[in-house]
Amino acid sequence: DAMVIQNPRYQVTQFGKPVTLSCSQTLNHNVMYWYQQKSSQAPKLLFHYYDKDFNNEADTPDNFQSRRPNTSFCFLDIRSPGLGDAAMYLCATSREQTYEQYFGPGTRLTVT
Amino acid sequence: KQEVTQIPAALSVPEGENLVLNCSFTDSAIYNLQWFRQDPGKGLTSLLLIQSSQREQTSGRLNASLDKSSGRSTLYIAASQPGDSATYLCAGASGANSKLTFGKGITLSVRP
Repeated sequence: DAMVIQNPRYQVTQFGKPVTLSCSQTLNHNVMYWYQQKSSQAPKLLFHYYDKDFNNEADTPDNFQSRRPNTSFCFLDIRSPGLGDAAMYLCATSREQTYEQYFGPGTRLTVT
Repeated sequence: KQEVTQIPAALSVPEGENLVLNCSFTDSAIYNLQWFRQDPGKGLTSLLLIQSSQREQTSGRLNASLDKSSGRSTLYIAASQPGDSATYLCAGASGANSKLTFGKGITLSVRP
């Protein structure tokens, strides 16, 4: 089945230790998104790629970076995680920017 | 800037009841509206997508409507079941960039 896959599902990192979250898709969609969702809050868009074009949200901290080496994969790098970065990180894809978004299962990040 | 509101934050109903979940948005120039389901600790599952040119969409026991003039969307769940217990989020896309703006969700509990 075509799907959006996120690895790992649970990630524990230490304060200040860089961490990378991974997303892959078998849908061959052009657009990939990264969202941050904290407990009982709405998902917040961090950035998205339209093909290779990177689009950063104005309020996304510089601590968050992303890479998309090819159509199928997208990575979220947190350079120096703080306690406030503990959250669920959701990856999503869509065929075009106006189309339905499909989400992966998320990665729960804990910062100790 | 699009703002999306979902009230109430939580809802508890007995099994078998038909129910309506409400979503309101501020920008009537909405491009599409999407309803999602989120189970605890999980990612988002897309339920229905309504394009701006459509008035409603149906999938099984679910029916979603869109009224751009009043800035409202509703998700109707027929004959609710305990397995419907989850958080339901609506998200609207404005303009061609179609970044989704999410509501905080309604946590539904269906009592056996």
